[in-house]
Amino acid sequence: EVQLVESGGGLVQPGGSLRLSCAASGFTFSSYEMNWVRQAPGKGLEWVSYISSSGSTIYYADSVKGRFTISRDNAKNSLYLQMNSLRAEDTAVYYCARVMATPDYYYYYMDVWGKGTTVTVSS
Amino acid sequence: EIVLTQSPGTLSLSPGERATLSCRASQSVSSSYLAWYQQKPGQAPRLLIYGASSRATGIPDRFSGSGSGTDFTLTISRLEPEDFAVYYCQQYGSSIFTFGPGTKVDIK
Repeated sequence: EVQLVESGGGLVQPGGSLRLSCAASGFTFSSYEMNWVRQAPGKGLEWVSYISSSGSTIYYADSVKGRFTISRDNAKNSLYLQMNSLRAEDTAVYYCARVMATPDYYYYYMDVWGKGTTVTVSS
Repeated sequence: EIVLTQSPGTLSLSPGERATLSCRASQSVSSSYLAWYQQKPGQAPRLLIYGASSRATGIPDRFSGSGSGTDFTLTISRLEPEDFAVYYCQQYGSSIFTFGPGTKVDIK
């Protein structure tokens, strides 16, 4: 079964750090690009960061640029999000999502999502 | 940066009725990179439609997508009780993934 399982969320004070993990199973993780997407309480979905299958290409939303770092370990089938200088507005459920790209990149979308991990930034 | 606008914000309908959800982009987007997701309370988003009109695996044929350029539509032909949820459109372009604010379909 194709599965993504996030972990590492919790309560952290403003200015603090947290590292999220996403464990992948049931597919060849190293062949897929990945995203982190978050959802603040009662709000919509917000894309956070992207990483290519090899890890060589990375993008960030402006809201987290310079504070968050995405990475992956293909040998461990794992995706990470290092979050520093956390703010109250980073409070959200964080989802990892698999990016499906057809070989010619004709189609490009997120087809598998984890259940999410909750991050709360509060003093 | 492309902004997606969804309308209406809330759609109140009865089971069996037809739902028409709109997603409008601030500039033209590639249809190939336009997707729709369904999200129920407490659950992760689920892919419904990719490439503006292709149904994802396992998605019932009462769900259909259409559109091009700046105007896209998700149609649910006959609402089933399990279809009451929030629906998001999403596009990819210029190294950025963008979501619309969502349309909530609730029971009238």
